[in-house]
Amino acid sequence: AQSVAQPEDQVNVAEGNPLTVKCTYSVSGNPYLFWYVQYPNRGLQFLLKYITGDNLVKGSYGFEAEFNKSQTSFHLKKPSALVSDSALYFCAVRARMDSSYKLIFGSGTRLLVRP
Amino acid sequence: DAGVIQSPRHEVTEMGQEVTLRCKPISGHNSLFWYRQTMMRGLELLIYFNNNVPIDDSGMPEDRFSAKMPNASFSTLKIQPSEPRDSAVYFCASSSKHTGGDEAFFGQGTRLTVV
Repeated sequence: AQSVAQPEDQVNVAEGNPLTVKCTYSVSGNPYLFWYVQYPNRGLQFLLKYITGDNLVKGSYGFEAEFNKSQTSFHLKKPSALVSDSALYFCAVRARMDSSYKLIFGSGTRLLVRP
Repeated sequence: DAGVIQSPRHEVTEMGQEVTLRCKPISGHNSLFWYRQTMMRGLELLIYFNNNVPIDDSGMPEDRFSAKMPNASFSTLKIQPSEPRDSAVYFCASSSKHTGGDEAFFGQGTRLTVV
């Protein structure tokens, strides 16, 4: 079965420090991986994706993610956290269903950046 | 483009009443998804459509839930009769292979409260 796991319910980091939000996946074939962010009372917003190519993917708001095939991981990173980065982050994997696709989301990780 | 549009933004209804949630996907997108988000269960995929046809409705909790997509620009999710445990935020999302990445674009959600 295709799935994605986010092992941490919450990540706490001080402003200015680097942050990492973890994600591991299980998928048959080549994975298509995504990160989304959700701010309070808002829908999910696309941050970045990995389809093929460089293992380090850069996205919106200074975020990046590193694809590691041997560890089946796709961790989200940012060199210097901002208080405004505090939000709920979802990792997702694309699953193929016949001729169409759907996204399977992880349980989400709440990021709290302290001033 | 205005993005994915959902209505209403908030709905409060009494147990036993019928509830209809509406979604207008981004023009040109051929896949549409309905998700439900709760604190307990996180983000759950309820059903998704491809080219207006339901592809996978295995996430629909029970027969009280139904979804339709009569045309490429409109979808509804109906709950009849509604129960307090249906209280959640319901998101609609759309995507298209032609965007070059298959990322899904989410609406702002409908917060449903059943009392």
